[in-house]
Amino acid sequence: QTVVTQEPSLTVSPGGTVTLTCASNTGAVTTGYYPNWFQQKPGQAPRALIYSTNNKHSWTPARFSGSLLGGKAALTLSGVQPEDEAEYYCLLYYGATQVFGGGTKLTVL
Amino acid sequence: EVQLVESGGGLVKPGGSLRLSCAASGFTFSSYNMNWVRQAPGKGLEWVSYISSSTSSIYYADSVKGRFTISRDNAKNSLYLQMNSLRAEDTAVYYCARVAGTTSIDYWGQGTLVTVSS
Repeated sequence: QTVVTQEPSLTVSPGGTVTLTCASNTGAVTTGYYPNWFQQKPGQAPRALIYSTNNKHSWTPARFSGSLLGGKAALTLSGVQPEDEAEYYCLLYYGATQVFGGGTKLTVL
Repeated sequence: EVQLVESGGGLVKPGGSLRLSCAASGFTFSSYNMNWVRQAPGKGLEWVSYISSSTSSIYYADSVKGRFTISRDNAKNSLYLQMNSLRAEDTAVYYCARVAGTTSIDYWGQGTLVTVSS
């Protein structure tokens, strides 16, 4: 069974920088897994942020960036804003199937 | 403006069936691949099923394979999910999501709640 793992929770101060990661139990995450990142606030549908590792959608704020880091996909928020407090999910592609990570609850405090 | 509007959710007994619909507007529906994704109450996102624009490729998560059927009607700009043999663990908000290319989810609907309970 394929499992994608994210940090359950992280806390960051306003204006700070934080990196969320996304690991696969099948081995190192590469560009071939086409990592996607999504933000979800309570009571709302998810919103797409990043696709194919490091590509931003037209609406993605510049402070969000995607990369590969130490065999994992990574989402970095630089200059965190209070409105960035949310749940963040990664998605990896495994050929015919797609697997979401369990999500990271980001608290801005 | 891209819009995806799900409907068809509701309360159903274990073993029952339900058909979800997703009405698409604001883009050329027939040119896009689509996903169904669900989220159980208080839980994370779970990919359910994928269908290509021409229906030539269809995939399912193991958890729903053999019970759920994804389909689309490009003339009606609509995506569907036929859910049979429903179980309590299928209780979730079901989202339809547009796939840009083959590996990028860009737009999501607001979701429709399916509750499986006796």
